Amino acid sequence: QSALTQPASVSGSPGQSITISCTGTSSDVGAYDYVSWYQHHPGKAPKLIIFDVNNRPSGVSDRFSGSKSGNTASLTVSGLQAEDEADYFCSSYTTSSTLVVFGGGTKLTVL
Amino acid sequence: QVQLQESGPGLVKPSETLSLTCTVSGGSMTSYYWTWIRQPAGKGLEWIGRIYSNGVTNYDPSLKSRVTLSVDTSKKQFSLRLSSVTAADTAIYYCAKVLYSSCGGGSCSYFDSWGQGTLVTVSS
Repeated sequence: QSALTQPASVSGSPGQSITISCTGTSSDVGAYDYVSWYQHHPGKAPKLIIFDVNNRPSGVSDRFSGSKSGNTASLTVSGLQAEDEADYFCSSYTTSSTLVVFGGGTKLTVL
Repeated sequence: QVQLQESGPGLVKPSETLSLTCTVSGGSMTSYYWTWIRQPAGKGLEWIGRIYSNGVTNYDPSLKSRVTLSVDTSKKQFSLRLSSVTAADTAIYYCAKVLYSSCGGGSCSYFDSWGQGTLVTVSS
């Protein structure tokens, strides 16, 4: 069982928007604005797409955006494209000595 | 952006030591943290530990007694050793680079370069 809770799967049609939630606690997601999101195509290296809750690394499409409310962070993918089909997982800094905790991952299917 | 590649045995016997190496290319190792993360089958990612380019380490408390990280910047490699392995250590192991140099606190929890991962199975 992962420290952060994500839905197992979400789906959407091309052009639509989807949102993936990431629920933690007051010791991780709710404690700091150190939430990140990764895109992972199976067999490839995961890719950082969001950090500091809502910042994008250089080169990441602005169709990806992040937000946070209380103990829940969210990733929104707008204008869905076939290439967005992948696994997405969230991560948060934690007050525990573990340093960082992860979500279980969400499989995004583009219909 | 740097590239990372994990290498090591894909099969380890119970009670033995798992050893993996991550080779870094396309950038410097200096002034960055380097991390190991794993994903057991059907489960989420688990942070194992990190090592700074000068050799300073931090480990997940649950693995601390069994984990050793080391770094050789001249070879552009860092390594993981996990002793007394059991079936519960079967996982895909990833190496990764922390986003910022000289980071502190939560800003050290972002990983901007990852290896593709290597499956390690613990079985006799």
